[in-house]
Amino acid sequence: DVKVTQSSRYLVKRTGEKVFLECVQDMDHENMFWYRQDPGLGLRLIYFSYDVKMKEKGDIPEGYSVSREKKERFSLILESASTNQTSMYLCASRLGTNQETQYFGPGTRLLVL
Amino acid sequence: EDQVTQSPEALRLQEGESSSLNCSYTVSGLRGLFWYRQDPGKGPEFLFTLYSAGEEKEKERLKATLTKKESFLHITAPKPEDSATYLCAVCNLNNNDMRFGAGTRLTVKP
Repeated sequence: DVKVTQSSRYLVKRTGEKVFLECVQDMDHENMFWYRQDPGLGLRLIYFSYDVKMKEKGDIPEGYSVSREKKERFSLILESASTNQTSMYLCASRLGTNQETQYFGPGTRLLVL
Repeated sequence: EDQVTQSPEALRLQEGESSSLNCSYTVSGLRGLFWYRQDPGKGPEFLFTLYSAGEEKEKERLKATLTKKESFLHITAPKPEDSATYLCAVCNLNNNDMRFGAGTRLTVKP
């Protein structure tokens, strides 16, 4: 079974703080993704990574950065958190570019005050 | 731009009352259409992938079907434990991008 874990289930931060969200997968998947999920908007792609040290912008990258130093770990960074970044953050991984199915972690619900 | 629209937004059923969820899509080239189940406060759980029109897949009380413009998730004799949000997504053949719908929130009352 694919196992994707996220460092926190719930997080409360203040405006302007730097926030790190971490995602780890244990199935040697090449591709990893960060989404945010808001009511009525569905999942929107923030960033993705095809391989170690590679990153690509998704649909809504503004205000976020990512890091992938090891294959199993993909971090999402909010450089200066703002209230409009309050959301559910979901990490996903996929075996490789020739595979379509993405497997998701449990999510991190972030509240920025 | 690829688009996925799910309807209805919310559906309330009595236990045993069969129904269908709809996923309409537009995509420049379909690599696959996906159904996920998401329980409150949790990440989406993969259910099915459909690749071509006419294809059907089943899992317990769920059956997914696909046409060139839409997919249906049929729920036969649902139980309260089927209550969840069901997400539909398409993967674009040309760029491998995934596009998700906003989901249908299903509630099954005992």
